[in-house]
Amino acid sequence: EAQVTQNPRYLITVTGKKLTVTCSQNMNHEYMSWYRQDPGLGLRQIYYSMNVEVTDKGDVPEGYKVSRKEKRNFPLILESPSPNQTSLYFCASSLGTGTDTQYFGPGTRLTVL
Amino acid sequence: QQQVKQSPQSLIVQKGGISIINCAYENTAFDYFPWYQQFPGKGPALLIAIRPDVSEKKEGRFTISFNKSAKQFSLHIMDSQPGDSATYFCAASCMDSNYQLIWGAGTKLIIKP
Repeated sequence: EAQVTQNPRYLITVTGKKLTVTCSQNMNHEYMSWYRQDPGLGLRQIYYSMNVEVTDKGDVPEGYKVSRKEKRNFPLILESPSPNQTSLYFCASSLGTGTDTQYFGPGTRLTVL
Repeated sequence: QQQVKQSPQSLIVQKGGISIINCAYENTAFDYFPWYQQFPGKGPALLIAIRPDVSEKKEGRFTISFNKSAKQFSLHIMDSQPGDSATYFCAASCMDSNYQLIWGAGTKLIIKP
């Protein structure tokens, strides 16, 4: 089954404790991205990657890191999480940019205390 | 100029009625306008999309109406059903910004039986 998977689905952590949210897709997509979703703000892009070893900042990259060492994986790293990073996070992938459909993962709900 | 403004924030419609969600944009370079549908606990999924060379696109009960001169586009859901209850996001993109999607804030739609 073609899908984007994220882990963990739920995470409660404390300020400053490094964490990684994994994202994997099995559709051989070139393009992957991370979004955060907050009430009233919609989806805001954090980082995106157009191919292996190619990443770029989205609209809200502060406090986040990403890497794209393999085509299928695109982990999101929070080196020192803070409470303002409490949010619902989505990973997405698509064949390319342009008008290609983005396929979203199921989301990771992160709470930083 | 990159914003996409979506309204209303929430909408309650009786079963069988017409649901209408509106989006407005400023950047005249936008040339791709998708709508995504998100059910609770799931990631968004592409519902329907339009290019500005047509004024309307219909897929089943879902129709996008596009008004280029007014820089507005809207989603119409005919014969709305309780299963249509979800959050709907409009978005826009263009080649100038490498087709990175600019998202509306979302509309929570509730269809009352």
